[in-house]
Amino acid sequence: IAGITQAPTSQILAAGRRMTLRCTQDMRHNAMYWYRQDLGLGLRLIHYSNTAGTTGKGEVPDGYSVSRANTDDFPLTLASAVPSQTSVYFCASSLDGSTDTQYFGPGTRLTVL
Amino acid sequence: GQNIDQPTEMTATEGAIVQINCTYQTSGFNGLFWYQQHAGEAPTFLSYNVLDGLEEKGRFSSFLSRSKGYSYLLLKELQMKDSASYLCAVRDSNYQLIWGAGTKLIIKP
Repeated sequence: IAGITQAPTSQILAAGRRMTLRCTQDMRHNAMYWYRQDLGLGLRLIHYSNTAGTTGKGEVPDGYSVSRANTDDFPLTLASAVPSQTSVYFCASSLDGSTDTQYFGPGTRLTVL
Repeated sequence: GQNIDQPTEMTATEGAIVQINCTYQTSGFNGLFWYQQHAGEAPTFLSYNVLDGLEEKGRFSSFLSRSKGYSYLLLKELQMKDSASYLCAVRDSNYQLIWGAGTKLIIKP
């Protein structure tokens, strides 16, 4: 692994189903982030974690949850997917949570029907 | 509220120069970023400004005026591979990035 990986690459999901998007980084970055990107809108922060064991809510956290059990992994869970969660999801990481540049994973394209 | 404004789309000719503007109104300011995003791919970091002035990096330069809430990205000697979206983002007082919707740059031969 080099950088940030996300899985799956894409997924079609029935409304009401539970889904976990995976994100793993091997850069030993302390901070990790989940964004969604929708056409015509800027990237919007869903949840973040400044260090392993801590998480925080971003601009659009409703319907999503995260955990940060270790430095490398930061999964995003949709407990009961709805069509408005159709989006492209990007995971990002930075060395620290305040001053460093964020680096992005390749993204997961999620469609909720 | 917080707001980042960029033009939706711009067109330029291969070999020319293009300037992409970004204006912002945010709660606090702790730096401004420019990212490039090719269609279907992840954003990649281009530049960072925290002090007023021009930062030059090869064919790309970025300018910041904090008093005007304004930045621009200048791309010189345009190449076809520069066709992409360019995202402006401001780090606010909570150290979160606030993103503009991006400017789609189309390069014509």
